[in-house]
Amino acid sequence: KNQVEQSPQSLIILEGKNCTLQCNYTVSPFSNLRWYKQDTGRGPVSLTIMTFSENTKSNGRYTATLDADTKQSSLHITASQLSDSASYICVVSPYNQGGKLIFGQGTELSVKP
Amino acid sequence: DARVTQTPRDKVTEMGQEVTMRCQPILGHNTVFWYRQTMMQGLELLAYFRNRAPLDDSGMPKDRFSAEMPDATLATLKIQPSEPRDSAVYFCASAWGAGTEAFFGQGTRLTVV
Repeated sequence: KNQVEQSPQSLIILEGKNCTLQCNYTVSPFSNLRWYKQDTGRGPVSLTIMTFSENTKSNGRYTATLDADTKQSSLHITASQLSDSASYICVVSPYNQGGKLIFGQGTELSVKP
Repeated sequence: DARVTQTPRDKVTEMGQEVTMRCQPILGHNTVFWYRQTMMQGLELLAYFRNRAPLDDSGMPKDRFSAEMPDATLATLKIQPSEPRDSAVYFCASAWGAGTEAFFGQGTRLTVV
């Protein structure tokens, strides 16, 4: 079983709509949870980093939430744009493992005009 | 221009040949990661270094893969001999310490035929 699981696997939405991506993890304890955006053919780019004590973190139209009790995180995208089409990856860094990152499989988001 | 630089961007090689991928981390970063990405497995950690010393290389097939940091400005990942199942995109990322943002390179797309 993957330590970081994401849902849905893929999602298609219309431009201007909002969407929420989910991440469930079993990594415990952990130092931080991150969301990355990966455009096709490029390396992942960090969107947000939350420590275990944070509940929410925003970066423009991206808002990440974290519930450490239920081991769930979500990424909410507001007023989607065509450029938001990408893979969104949830990443958990285990506690005291030197910054090691465990990646989820990602959610493939497609924003249509 | 602070970014992680990987070379080559693309590599096609025949089975059995040696492949060397190079990574120049962001100046001042002391942590370097090597990841492999495939459609089936997503991003998998192969190895990572802190201050040029390997912290964890348990994700790497030791019989054919080797990772080194000859100096603080260069990380290498070598496969010898290469096999078709090694075909993937290999990403290098760097960070300052643990718990900070990791910056990814553009990746090396390896195809072993």
